[in-house]
Amino acid sequence: AQKVTQAQTEISVVEKEDVTLDCVYETRDTTYYLFWYKQPPSGELVFLIRRNSFDEQNEISGRYSWNFQKSTSSFNFTITASQVVDSAVYFCALSELTGANNLFFGTGTRLTVIP
Amino acid sequence: EAGVTQFPSHSVIEKGQTVTLRCDPISGHDNLYWYRRVMGKEIKFLLHFVKESKQDESGMPNNRFLAERTGGTYSTLKVQPAELEDSGVYFCASSQTTGNEQFFGPGTRLTVL
Repeated sequence: AQKVTQAQTEISVVEKEDVTLDCVYETRDTTYYLFWYKQPPSGELVFLIRRNSFDEQNEISGRYSWNFQKSTSSFNFTITASQVVDSAVYFCALSELTGANNLFFGTGTRLTVIP
Repeated sequence: EAGVTQFPSHSVIEKGQTVTLRCDPISGHDNLYWYRRVMGKEIKFLLHFVKESKQDESGMPNNRFLAERTGGTYSTLKVQPAELEDSGVYFCASSQTTGNEQFFGPGTRLTVL
């Protein structure tokens, strides 16, 4: 069965600190995608990244970086030098290529960046 | 390019009433998904359309929920009759091809009193 666990319900950091959001997933498929979405206070879900299961290379996009480790079934997200605008709920999600490709979400991590 | 839009943004109804939610996907996206987030829980898949066909409706909670996508453009999700446990935020998403990233709308917050 598929499952995505985001153990951190809420995190608060002071502006300019680095913060890592954890994501652990379960799947029986060997081919799958992992995603991160950001939900700012306005409510919409903003796509951040998609990573397929065959690509374990870490990715960096500006202040954002992602660490994918199949050995531990984790896909962690780090924000460097956090800013107040990073305050949001962040969701990790899994999509299996066998089946309907719908997304299985974690419960989300609420990040508050304190100025 | 316009994103995924949803209407209404909020809806407050009484138990037993009917509510219809609408989603307009990104133009040209054949895949349309409905999801729901009940307070404090994870966002859960409801169903998936490819054009006007239901590809997967395994997440629909019960037969009080009816989704349509006539003509393969916008979609509606009707809840009839609404129950208290239907309260939550209903998200719609679309993607160009199956497996690609899904672009989400702002959601409709449904409150059933």
